[in-house]
Amino acid sequence: DIQMTQSPSLLSASVGDRVTLSCKASQNIYKYLNWYQQKLGEAPKLLIYYTNSLQTGIPSRFSGSGSGTDYTLTISSLQPEDVATYFCQQYNSWPTFGAGTKLELK
Amino acid sequence: EIQLQESGPGLVKPSQSLSLTCSVTGYTITSGYDWSWIRKFPGNKMEWMGYISNSGSTNYNPSLKIRISITRDTSKNQFFLQLNSVTTEDTATYYCAGLNYGFDYWGQGVMVTVSS
Repeated sequence: DIQMTQSPSLLSASVGDRVTLSCKASQNIYKYLNWYQQKLGEAPKLLIYYTNSLQTGIPSRFSGSGSGTDYTLTISSLQPEDVATYFCQQYNSWPTFGAGTKLELK
Repeated sequence: EIQLQESGPGLVKPSQSLSLTCSVTGYTITSGYDWSWIRKFPGNKMEWMGYISNSGSTNYNPSLKIRISITRDTSKNQFFLQLNSVTTEDTATYYCAGLNYGFDYWGQGVMVTVSS
């Protein structure tokens, strides 16, 4: 199966910061990459699909990019409500997930 | 609004079968999406277990293929997970989800502990 590696595992940032989260696949996944946000006690929420398509209702400060094996989720200006764990997930083959990046406020 | 809700026992004994139900409201499961089960282990690792499509075909994670079955009852707009021969390593929070390009809709999850 395709392994997904996220970095960093923990990220501390301040309100208003530009934040970048990384996800690396063990092989080319041809942009079949989604990002999810999971807040404590809640179900995951789809933020971005197919690398850079913003899910309906998601704020425009979230964006995605990447190709091949390397992908990035960017939050242009961190808000307090963005504190959560972020997961990437590929679907070039059966879906597999990264281990997550926990984002906290500094 | 599409909503999913998992239900089932929170405690299962080793070697027994785990059975969960996902009830879908606001959308007919035969209209679209692939209806999935996903689990999240203690420590955050998530694993896609499989899905039943809107047409009724199934697709399973190869690592679970010999133990898993996903079925549905279209009259009740529900789909089901059965996982056989469970061990303590199957302890996790189990989610049902609707899959399009991504997992668009999720239930709140049900925690299942495998313990004697």
